[in-house]
Amino acid sequence: DAGITQSPRYKITETGRQVTLMCHQTWSHSYMFWYRQDLGHGLRLIYYSAAADITDKGEVPDGYVVSRSKTENFPLTLESATRSQTSVYFCASSNWERGKQYFGPGTRLTVT
Amino acid sequence: GESVGLHLPTLSVQEGDNSIINCAYSNSASDYFIWYKQESGKGPQFIIDIRSNMDKRQGQRVTVLLNKTVKHLSLQIAATQPGDSAVYFCAENLSGGYQKVTFGIGTKLQVIP
Repeated sequence: DAGITQSPRYKITETGRQVTLMCHQTWSHSYMFWYRQDLGHGLRLIYYSAAADITDKGEVPDGYVVSRSKTENFPLTLESATRSQTSVYFCASSNWERGKQYFGPGTRLTVT
Repeated sequence: GESVGLHLPTLSVQEGDNSIINCAYSNSASDYFIWYKQESGKGPQFIIDIRSNMDKRQGQRVTVLLNKTVKHLSLQIAATQPGDSAVYFCAENLSGGYQKVTFGIGTKLQVIP
């Protein structure tokens, strides 16, 4: 029962580098989400996906790219990392249960 | 834009007492509300939800109250235990908003043994 996993769990990268955060779920949930969590801001939605090949912007999409070629995977790419993207990133998935999302363990990203 | 907010960022409660975590929302179009619990180092976990056509819903040791008149909801935890120590988020979902939710900034609950 793997559920939803994220990798890596911790990542340190340099400004300007491209970095991809992986998210994988085993439930075949239609919806998947990426959030960033920063002190004082709670969880802010970056991108979400309603199904494979369907993605849409959330509240803070600038500097991020997503894709969803398969239902179970939803990678998040920082094309050129900036220090302001230092954060904890959470992936989540959801099925038909309205508003109920299942979260992964998070990836702590530090951009130096 | 409109968002969900919280009155108290930190709440300290004696073990065995009841806890009340409050949340104010400003988007009158929201018709579904959820509480999540986030333990240290983990992702948020669903606790309980409530629809706008209800004013109270009970779960195991938790009760959510919704007051649409003043756009306020609260999470009550009965007989608070050390395992309840966490950050609690309220979140709202708009009708037609698919599965997207908007989270508040969270309240940290500290249980004093």
